[in-house]
Amino acid sequence: EPEVTQTPSHQVTQMGQEVILRCVPISNHLYFYWYRQILGQKVEFLVSFYNNEISEKSEIFDDQFSVERPDGSNFTLKIRSTKLEDSAMYFCASSELRSGANVLTFGAGSRLTVL
Amino acid sequence: AQTVTQSQPEMSVQEAETVTLSCTYDTSESDYYLFWYKQPPSRQMILVIRQEAYKQQNATENRFSVNFQKAAKSFSLKISDSQLGDAAMYFCAYGGSQGNLIFGKGTKLSVKP
Repeated sequence: EPEVTQTPSHQVTQMGQEVILRCVPISNHLYFYWYRQILGQKVEFLVSFYNNEISEKSEIFDDQFSVERPDGSNFTLKIRSTKLEDSAMYFCASSELRSGANVLTFGAGSRLTVL
Repeated sequence: AQTVTQSQPEMSVQEAETVTLSCTYDTSESDYYLFWYKQPPSRQMILVIRQEAYKQQNATENRFSVNFQKAAKSFSLKISDSQLGDAAMYFCAYGGSQGNLIFGKGTKLSVKP
């Protein structure tokens, strides 16, 4: 069954460092998402991406965050200068459709620990 | 703005018994979808079941079924014949016109042997 692949599975970084989380969405999906889950809390939407541009973003997705699709397969989330509160699980997801009808397929997540 | 509320932080069920997880939501949209996702200790998000708001019939997937009450904006998940592997966090989610999902805070389900 097709799956969304995320790397790394766990990254530890120092506060202030830049981090890039990578995702390979399902090949025929057109919509891509990043979600964040701080330990013990709910899953929060960060950003959605379609046709090489951001289609929506939440208040969490401030200037320190950026997303990119550098080639035909990868979808990346960059955090420019990490803060302690960026420690969380980051989930990538993809879907065929944009509407609520779509089923998001999630990756296994990338755990980010900021020291 | 849409919201999703899960009022049960934790639930417990005996193996082979039935448990119901509650979820309520708020929206002004008429066309939307509702989801239950399971998050086991591995923390991967796994789709359990999906309900289209325009369908009156409750969705069912094997041992998992929902009780969708559109007027009450309620979307509960029933797990029958609970198994040890059902132990996980369960998240209710709303999918509307914007495309992204809005999640509740989750319910941690424990299954006792």
